[in-house]
Amino acid sequence: DAKTTQPNSMESNEEEPVHLPCNHSTISGTDYIHWYRQLPSQGPEYVIHGLTSNVNNRMASLAIAEDRKSSTLILHRATLRDAAVYYCILRDWASGTYKYIFGTGTRLKVLA
Amino acid sequence: GAGVSQTPSNKVTEKGKYVELRCDPISGHTALYWYRQSLGQGPEFLIYFQGTGAADDSGLPNDRFFAVRPEGSVSTLKIQRTERGDSAVYLCASSPSGTGKIGELFFGEGSRLTVL
Repeated sequence: DAKTTQPNSMESNEEEPVHLPCNHSTISGTDYIHWYRQLPSQGPEYVIHGLTSNVNNRMASLAIAEDRKSSTLILHRATLRDAAVYYCILRDWASGTYKYIFGTGTRLKVLA
Repeated sequence: GAGVSQTPSNKVTEKGKYVELRCDPISGHTALYWYRQSLGQGPEFLIYFQGTGAADDSGLPNDRFFAVRPEGSVSTLKIQRTERGDSAVYLCASSPSGTGKIGELFFGEGSRLTVL
C-alpha cells in the first residue's frame, strides 16, 4: 500500500482557513485520495475524496497537486467543531484490495 | 436510527476471558470492516467482509481473533483468551459496496474493551 505522510499536529484560529497537507510520493495511478476525520470519542467520518481534479463539497475542498504526489485538505472557515484528527488515506480501487489503511493523522486544534 | 450500531459500548473483562463484540451495519450495506484503535493511534485494519465472506482477514493479529457475518448483515468479532494488550476501541464500519472507486465508510462509535 502506498504511504502517506502528515504533520502530527496543527493549530488554527477560529473562522480562519486551514490547509492540512498530505504527502504521498509513491501514489499509483489508480489510488484515490480519501480524507476522514475523527472527532473526540467518535468513529471516523468521511470528509472528501478525489483522484486527479480538485474537489469541493459542503465540508471541505481537496486540492491535488498536478503530479499527485501531494494533496491539501482545505477547511474554508474553521470552527471549534472542526477540532479533530484528520486522516489522509490512499486506496487503490483497481488492486482488489478494499481496505483503508489509516496512519496517525494530523491533530487539528482550533483556537477561539 | 440509520447509523452503524455497536454493542456493547464498553466492556471490561479479565485476562483469559472470552469476549464478543457486535456490529449492526447500515441496512443494505454489503461491505463491513472491523478496525482496532489504541490510544493515540489511527485505526488499525483487522478484517473486511463482502457479504457473508471474509474477503480480507490479513489484519487479524493472531488466531485468538475471529469474526463472522453469517447472514451478510450483523457481524460479531470474537476474542478468545483475552490479553491486556487487546485493550482498545474496536470500530466497525460499513459501506454500500467494498468494490469500485468510492466505497465511503460509515463508522460506528466503537466498543471500548478493557482487559484487566
